Parts: sequence; C-alpha cells; structure tokens
Amino acid sequence: DVKVTQSSRYLVKRTGEKVFLECVQDMDHENMFWYRQDPGLGLRLIYFSYDVKMKEKGDIPEGYSVSREKKERFSLILESASTNQTSMYLCASRMTGGPTGYNEQFFGPGTRLTVL
Amino acid sequence: TQLLEQSPQFLSIQEGENLTVYCNSSSVFSSLQWYRQEPGEGPVLLVTVVTGGEVKKLKRLTFQFGDARKDSSLHITAAQPGDTGLYLCAGVGSNTGKLIFGQGTTLQVKP
Repeated sequence: DVKVTQSSRYLVKRTGEKVFLECVQDMDHENMFWYRQDPGLGLRLIYFSYDVKMKEKGDIPEGYSVSREKKERFSLILESASTNQTSMYLCASRMTGGPTGYNEQFFGPGTRLTVL
Repeated sequence: TQLLEQSPQFLSIQEGENLTVYCNSSSVFSSLQWYRQEPGEGPVLLVTVVTGGEVKKLKRLTFQFGDARKDSSLHITAAQPGDTGLYLCAGVGSNTGKLIFGQGTTLQVKP
C-alpha cells in the first residue's frame, strides 16, 4: 500500500521560530511537492522537487525553503514563522515518466500548523 | 497564470438528490484531475480526464472534460452521506506538468 507520511498532524509554534515539516514517501517517486491549503483558496504550491537535491519554486515560495537530501524525504522549512503561515500543509509525491497528465499525486494526511 | 474557478464552493443537499460541480478556466489544460478529500486526510485521486469531450463514470459519479479542454464537471447521481467531503479539480499545466487546483467544493449530504 503506497504511503506518504508527514512528521506531525498538529503543530503549534511561536512567531519567529524555525519550523521543520518532514515528509517521507515509500513509493520511490522522483517528484515531491509541498502545498498549503487554506479555506476558499484550494491548494497552492510552495515548492517542488524533481529529484534528489533539486528544487523549484512554486507559486508562493516566500518565507519557505526546502531540502531534499534523500529521494524519499522532502522537508519544508519556515525560517522564521509568522502568523500568516498558519495553515494546513500537505506533502505529495508522484512518479515521473509517461504522459505528465496521467500521473496521480499521492498526498500525505497533512500537518495543521498554528503560529501564535 | 493558469487559474481554475470551481463552483459552487459549498453544497448541502439531502440524500438522493443529484448535484453538479463545475470547474472553469480561460486556459487550456493538457488533462484534468478530480480529487476527493475527507477531514483529516489528504486528497485522493478519483479520475483523470485527458481528451476534449471525454466522459468517465465512476459508479454514481460522472466526470466530463470540455471539448476545448478548458472546463470540467462532476455530476453525482442520487447522492449518499458517504459522498460528503471536499471535491477538488486540478488542471495539469500545459508546459509545466504542475497541478493547478480549484478552490474546492465542500459537499454535505444529509441523511
């Protein structure tokens, strides 16, 4: 059974703290993604990675960075958390190869981050 | 920038009713996916439509991709409480391969 796991389901941090969100997939997928989900806005792409040590900015990268040192692990880093980064964070992975449009993204259960 | 407008954002209906969710854009997508998300879980893929005019059925769910590949619809026949959840459409960007998500439709089906 394919699986994407995220390190925490709920997280509460204070403004200015450095925050690490971890994501691990066991499907040997090349592509990994970080989204944030806010009511009425759908999912917005923060960063994605096509392969190990590779990263690309998504639509809303400001205030975030990422790290992909191993194929199965993709970390999202909030260098200095702010209250407007309170959100649900979703990680996803996808197999590459074949027509791009056919490949399903597999999502983790999400981390609900609250920044006080 | 490719955008997807999804409507309605909220839908509350009685068991047995039919409903349609729409996903519209001014941009062409190479394909379009529909996901369903339950509380506390990540989205799960329901279907991918690729060809303009394509219709796919998944039990009581019917998905259609517009002829021009700019819009899509999800129709649910005889909705059941188990259909309750957040439905998301996502277009595959023509040149990027990234998914562009609509805002989502929260569906509540009351017994």
